[in-house]
Amino acid sequence: GDSVTQMEGPVTLSEEAFLTINCTYTATGYPSLFWYVQYPGEGLQLLLKATKADDKGSNKGFEATYRKETTSFHLEKGSVQVSDSAVYFCALNLYGNKLVFGAGTILRVKS
Amino acid sequence: DTAVSQTPKYLVTQMGNDKSIKCEQNLGHDTMYWYKQDSKKFLKIMFSYNNKELIINETVPNRFSPKSPDKAHLNLHINSLELGDSAVYFCASSQVGGTDTEAFFGQGTRLTVV
Repeated sequence: GDSVTQMEGPVTLSEEAFLTINCTYTATGYPSLFWYVQYPGEGLQLLLKATKADDKGSNKGFEATYRKETTSFHLEKGSVQVSDSAVYFCALNLYGNKLVFGAGTILRVKS
Repeated sequence: DTAVSQTPKYLVTQMGNDKSIKCEQNLGHDTMYWYKQDSKKFLKIMFSYNNKELIINETVPNRFSPKSPDKAHLNLHINSLELGDSAVYFCASSQVGGTDTEAFFGQGTRLTVV
């Protein structure tokens, strides 16, 4: 079935470090891909998305590129801040009515 | 204005009890969902409703019964609560459309069964 695999956390970085969170997917068709972020005590909110191969989603300094050849959608940020500490979820949507999530990656940024 | 609101935010109850979690969205969306997040943060869809009709039921025990009185509300009733039901439950909504449709989530209900 359709699935998403993310790198395990927690990921601990110092402020201004470069961030990469790996995400790969398995799908029978051509899904849209998403990164959602969950700040402590809150629900999930959309961070960025990409709907077709080679699309790049970006928001708040975060970027991810839809790579069909490697079935990947890795999240990157050039310089993280303490306020970026959260849980990050990679997800796919293949049929329009169901998001399939990865296991989530906890990010901790230290000052 | 809260887009997707759930109540209660916290729920502590004893095994065997019956409880309900309410969800309302004011976004005008026609699809609503319940997701369960376990202690390791893993999120799994439980149910999806479109215009008050059940469209996804992901092998959830029949102790869980969603009810959608109208397309702005999707409540979750749980009978005979078990320890393993302890989790954070998230309600979400989206507009039906293509695969790029964004889902909006509530703040979650932390259920603790003792």
